[in-house]
Amino acid sequence: QKEVEQNSGPLSVPEGAIASLNCTYSDRGSQSFFWYRQYSGKSPELIMFIYSNGDKEDGRFTAQLNKASQYVSLLIRDSQPSDSATYLCAVNEVNAGKSTFGDGTTLTVKP
Amino acid sequence: DAGVTQSPTHLIKTRGQQVTLRCSPKSGHDTVSWYQQALGQGPQFIFQYYEEEERQRGNFPDRFSGHQFPNYSSELNVNALLLGDSALYLCASSLEPRGDEKLFFGSGTQLSVL
Repeated sequence: QKEVEQNSGPLSVPEGAIASLNCTYSDRGSQSFFWYRQYSGKSPELIMFIYSNGDKEDGRFTAQLNKASQYVSLLIRDSQPSDSATYLCAVNEVNAGKSTFGDGTTLTVKP
Repeated sequence: DAGVTQSPTHLIKTRGQQVTLRCSPKSGHDTVSWYQQALGQGPQFIFQYYEEEERQRGNFPDRFSGHQFPNYSSELNVNALLLGDSALYLCASSLEPRGDEKLFFGSGTQLSVL
């Protein structure tokens, strides 16, 4: 079992819809959770981070964390074609420098 | 404000050769991590350098080695290249390792081993 699991997708949503991306992790000692966006042929770019249980909103993006269920999600409201990319979930352990990434979910937003 | 810079952008090598990849961190960052990303997969942690020392290492063989210089820039060396080493190599910089650091990635080096 991988340490960080994501739905492989691809996920396709119409423009203006809500895209929901999910991630589960196996290490209960994990303390920091990140979502990176990676356009095709480009490097990952941090778009959201969350450290505490609950929701964190930033513009059209909402990250949700449930440590008891070892579950992290990213909601993208009013999805735009420019949101079409691969979304990577990453998890850090306590006092550990490394980030463990899932394999990503590819999102396509159709006009 | 200069971001993370990596060189070269592309590299073609043959099996058994050695390669050196270079990275300069984002201004103000002192920690450099290296990741390997195979096609269709997420980045895999190779190692992290802070204060010129390897602080943490992922599940990679000793053929993979690195170095950090006093100006915080870093090199990744891979010896005895295998076909399976073909991948995108990403450098990420951050502030001192505390477990909550956000990573800023360079554009990567695409390595092809023939």
